[in-house]
Amino acid sequence: EIVLTQSPGTLSLSPGERATLSCRASQIISSNYLAWFQQKPGQAPRLLIYGASTRAPGIPDRFSGSGSGTDFTLTINRLEPEDFAVYYCQQYNTSPALTFGGGTKVEIK
Amino acid sequence: QVQLVESGGGVVQPGGSLRLSCAGSGFIFRTYGMHWVRQTPGKGLEWVAFVRNDGSDKYYSDSVKGRFTISRDNSKNTLYLQMNSLTVEDTALYYCASRSCPGGDCYTNFWGQGTLVTVSS
Repeated sequence: EIVLTQSPGTLSLSPGERATLSCRASQIISSNYLAWFQQKPGQAPRLLIYGASTRAPGIPDRFSGSGSGTDFTLTINRLEPEDFAVYYCQQYNTSPALTFGGGTKVEIK
Repeated sequence: QVQLVESGGGVVQPGGSLRLSCAGSGFIFRTYGMHWVRQTPGKGLEWVAFVRNDGSDKYYSDSVKGRFTISRDNSKNTLYLQMNSLTVEDTALYYCASRSCPGGDCYTNFWGQGTLVTVSS
């Protein structure tokens, strides 16, 4: 099983700042089969990024994904108030089986 | 727009059974593989099961294999999860999610709002 470790657990930032979230895999994720999701309280996860760097339809360009192999990053430029949420990475290299990271909470400082 | 609506959750005693449903609309349901994923405060997001678009192949996590059965009825645009021999560890919010595979890149795109399953005596 591919284990995904996200860091930091919590990120305290102000609106307008940049958020950098990390996701490290225990094994190489081939073909960059890694996605990022945003989840707000009481809501389902929302797809932001797939294929490590491709934005899903309707996702603002302040969200960007990068990385390959075992190290991946989600960057949120110029945080908006609606961006404060929990973010999860997910690998689908072993699809249909999926694994998720433990999440990073981006909170208002 | 795409909608996935889960139902069937509730409170059940250990050893009991429940059947969850997930109704899809706004997309061509029969062309998408479908997952069940569950979420708990302690264990986070955990993949449970997957069924191919035509129902031909089914896959399960080790934690539910032999107890849960995933199925679908494409004539009703509905996904199911039959859960038997439930334990307290199965207590979670259960989501259904669709899988999109453009060019072989098979990612999870849409999720329902979830249905809560509580296993308790």
